[in-house]
Amino acid sequence: DQQVKQNSPSLSVQEGRISILNCDYTNSMFDYFLWYKKYPAEGPTFLISISSIKDKNEDGRFTVFLNKSAKHLSLHIVPSQPGDSAVYFCAAYNAQQAGTALIFGKGTTLSVSS
Amino acid sequence: DSGVTQTPKHLITATGQRVTLRCSPRSGDLSVYWYQQSLDQGLQFLIQYYNGEERAKGNILERFSAQQFPDLHSELNLSSLELGDSALYFCASSVGGGSSYNEQFFGPGTRLTVL
Repeated sequence: DQQVKQNSPSLSVQEGRISILNCDYTNSMFDYFLWYKKYPAEGPTFLISISSIKDKNEDGRFTVFLNKSAKHLSLHIVPSQPGDSAVYFCAAYNAQQAGTALIFGKGTTLSVSS
Repeated sequence: DSGVTQTPKHLITATGQRVTLRCSPRSGDLSVYWYQQSLDQGLQFLIQYYNGEERAKGNILERFSAQQFPDLHSELNLSSLELGDSALYFCASSVGGGSSYNEQFFGPGTRLTVL
């Protein structure tokens, strides 16, 4: 049973436009959410996170929105750049529980064309 | 370059064999995490060690084991290998011992192919 789902395997966007990557979760105990970016032949890189006490967190061109009632979060990239082309993973865990495991979605491949 | 090193970069072996993957964390980091990325399962957290002790456990098979040594490097041992164990294995490190997932830096990974 997948607790974190990224239902869009891929997304194509033009340079300068907004990219919206979506993530749904089923475990109501998750209270901390993260996005990672991964380029081919490299390990993932932490991008941005959000705690369940917030509904929005912004870092430069990247904003994560959290809708707890819908168990849904999204990553907005504005404006999108060709260098943003990568696989994006959503992940979640229960920060209140010691020794908790980080659960990942299967990723969305973003392609930004110039 | 994240500062986390993993060896070997590639490993090809046969079913039933045993292999050891090695990870050296960034200087000053006390936690080491292991992840598996396979085509069908995506990215999965396996296990975390902090200063030599197991701190968190994910979907790690009984055939797999890990340890962290006094010099803080870690090894992931995979035994009785099956075709389905073919995957990219990532190591990550962080300073903290809690669930410092937002502070972790990933290595480049070891690609394991089981024939």
